[in-house]
Amino acid sequence: DAGITQSPRHKVTETGTPVTLRCHQTENHRYMYWYRQDPGHGLRLIHYSYGVKDTDKGEVSDGYSVSRSKTEDFLLTLESATSSQTSVYFCAISPERTGEETQYFGPGTRLLVL
Amino acid sequence: AQSVAQPEDQVNVAEGNPLTVKCTYSVSGNPYLFWYVQYPNRGLQFLLKYITGDNLVKGSYGFEAEFNKSQTSFHLKKPSALVSDSALYFCAVRDTDSGTYKYIFGTGTRLKVLA
Repeated sequence: DAGITQSPRHKVTETGTPVTLRCHQTENHRYMYWYRQDPGHGLRLIHYSYGVKDTDKGEVSDGYSVSRSKTEDFLLTLESATSSQTSVYFCAISPERTGEETQYFGPGTRLLVL
Repeated sequence: AQSVAQPEDQVNVAEGNPLTVKCTYSVSGNPYLFWYVQYPNRGLQFLLKYITGDNLVKGSYGFEAEFNKSQTSFHLKKPSALVSDSALYFCAVRDTDSGTYKYIFGTGTRLKVLA
């Protein structure tokens, strides 16, 4: 798992409430990602980061914001959760070293928005 | 824009038979291609990749994949399937157009190996 943890692992919340998911890595990789996984859609990129305070949008970024104030932490915030954001959220990192071209994934956070 | 297609939602195969999970891609430059596997309630695990070199790539758990540039395909294969291979498989391509490290995933193929 390349030292990636996600918290919480499960969350139930109500529509309209803010939610923050945390991804933590122990290996100081520059690239970090947030995906959501939904049946029939595979994994879709929400936001990614290429360094502290450097982030960019993915294909499904509406309704989500991110922050990266430290190399090891990448936070995903749902400002006002909606039922369409019920999903499984995965964090990933990507090493930059030649020969390590891949991604490593965290265990996921299962979010239910009622 | 780069994209990946997995045309089969599910593949069923009998234990001991060879298996193939299909993936086609569309890129404008040289592709970086990957296969990942996901077991129930787990994150994705890296299986294998093609960056350059030999078109037949070998990976974890006895899996291999063949890169075919003319057919823009990167099918995952295994000579003899095991029940424990039953899982969700994702093909992915790394976006090399934009100079970023973004990855694009297919929609996934569920492999079911029957005893």
